[in-house]
Amino acid sequence: GNSVTQMEGPVTLSEEAFLTINCTYTATGYPSLFWYVQYPGEGLQLLLKATKADDKGSNKGFEATYRKETTSFHLEKGSVQVSDSAVYFCALILVQGAQKLVFGQGTRLTINP
Amino acid sequence: EAGVAQSPRYKIIEKRQSVAFWCNPISGHATLYWYQQILGQGPKLLIQFQNNGVVDDSQLPKDRFSAERLKGVDSTLKIQPAKLEDSAVYLCASSIGEGGWSYEQYFGPGTRLTVT
Repeated sequence: GNSVTQMEGPVTLSEEAFLTINCTYTATGYPSLFWYVQYPGEGLQLLLKATKADDKGSNKGFEATYRKETTSFHLEKGSVQVSDSAVYFCALILVQGAQKLVFGQGTRLTINP
Repeated sequence: EAGVAQSPRYKIIEKRQSVAFWCNPISGHATLYWYQQILGQGPKLLIQFQNNGVVDDSQLPKDRFSAERLKGVDSTLKIQPAKLEDSAVYLCASSIGEGGWSYEQYFGPGTRLTVT
C-alpha cells in the first residue's frame, strides 16, 4: 500500500539552528509529494510540494527535494525562527488511481529563542 | 477570500450519543473532503465529495458515520452512536477540482471531539 514515515518528534531547536525533518514514502505508483504545516490553533496549510523526481519545492525558507532513488522528501531550513514552531506533515498523493492524500504521523517542532 | 469554516470547534459527548459537524467550503470549490485526525497521527480521509456526489468513502465506518453535501456546498458529518475511539479532530478541506495532486486542498481549523 501507500504510506509515509516521518522522523519521530518532538524536535526542539534553538533559533537560527539548521533543521532537517526526515520523510520517506512507499507508493504503488508515481506520487506527488507535499509538506503541510499546522500552526497552533490553525488548520493545515500547504508549505511546499514537488511533483516529479529531482524537483525541489521551496517556500518561506524551507526546501525539500523529491528523491526517487531513496524514496525520500526531507524538509530542511537553514536558520529556523521561533515562528516556525508548528507540527509538520509529509504527505503523498498518487497521480494515477485513487487520488487521496496519505499523511505521515506529523513531527512537532519547537524553536526556543 | 474566506477560508474553510467549521463548527463547532470543540465538542464533548458521552459514548453512544450522536454528534454532527458542519463545514462550509471556500466559495466555488467543487471538491470537499472530511478527514479524521487521531492524536499523534496524520489525517486520514473519511469521505470525498465532488459537488454533491460521493467520490470515495472507502474509509468511512458506515455503520456509525454518515455524511452529506446537499446542493454541492455545505456538508455535515454525523456520528451515531459515538464510541470512545472516535475521539479525534475532524478536518474539512476543499479544493477547486478533483485530483488532489493538481489542485491544492485548503483545510479548515477542525472540530475537536472528545467522547467520554
